Amino acid sequence: EAGVTQFPSHSVIEKGQTVTLRCDPISGHDNLYWYRRVMGKEIKFLLHFVKESKQDESGMPNNRFLAERTGGTYSTLKVQPAELEDSGVYFCASSFQRHTDTQYFGPGTRLTVL
Amino acid sequence: DQQVKQNSPSLSVQEGRISILNCDYTNSMFDYFLWYKKYPAEGPTFLISISSIKDKNEDGRFTVFLNKSAKHLSLHIVPSQPGDSAVYFCAAGSNDYKLSFGAGTTVTVRA
Repeated sequence: EAGVTQFPSHSVIEKGQTVTLRCDPISGHDNLYWYRRVMGKEIKFLLHFVKESKQDESGMPNNRFLAERTGGTYSTLKVQPAELEDSGVYFCASSFQRHTDTQYFGPGTRLTVL
Repeated sequence: DQQVKQNSPSLSVQEGRISILNCDYTNSMFDYFLWYKKYPAEGPTFLISISSIKDKNEDGRFTVFLNKSAKHLSLHIVPSQPGDSAVYFCAAGSNDYKLSFGAGTTVTVRA
């Protein structure tokens, strides 16, 4: 069974540009999450989808970040315009149904904003 | 506010000995806890979990202990192997689905 996949693995952009990250969850997982790790610190929650609906976006830093999950399958996270402090590793995770079901993480996208 | 804390940023242990990683939390609403292992340039890999109704869960060389009154959990790895060298994250969750993570502990297993 394929795990969570993310694309691209790395992205280097200049301040003010736009970047779109993609996540494909494990097939059959209703829940999809985005997390971010900045400067080797703790991994922080960004938002949670249940199927195609945003359940919780309390961790989104500001309105420059837009996440979508059209059709309840893959998800995209767009940063527009990117700022220097957006640099970090963006992880996607997915889980089955219950809140106690294990969240499985993808390899992450390392975003560098110059 | 950081609700999950791993106060030891690093741990060095000799191969074959026990590794003990500690984690403290503040939110009494957390009802399940997980440990993830992370190699460089990879995502966190699930290792072991424990529900708040239990005080111990064991899976092979890995055992997690939960002390709810102290809001403390620990991960024991016995015996430690070179492949265990990685960053270990403690995480906690509740019925809002989002996980809160500690900052991680880097474990180095010496031959």
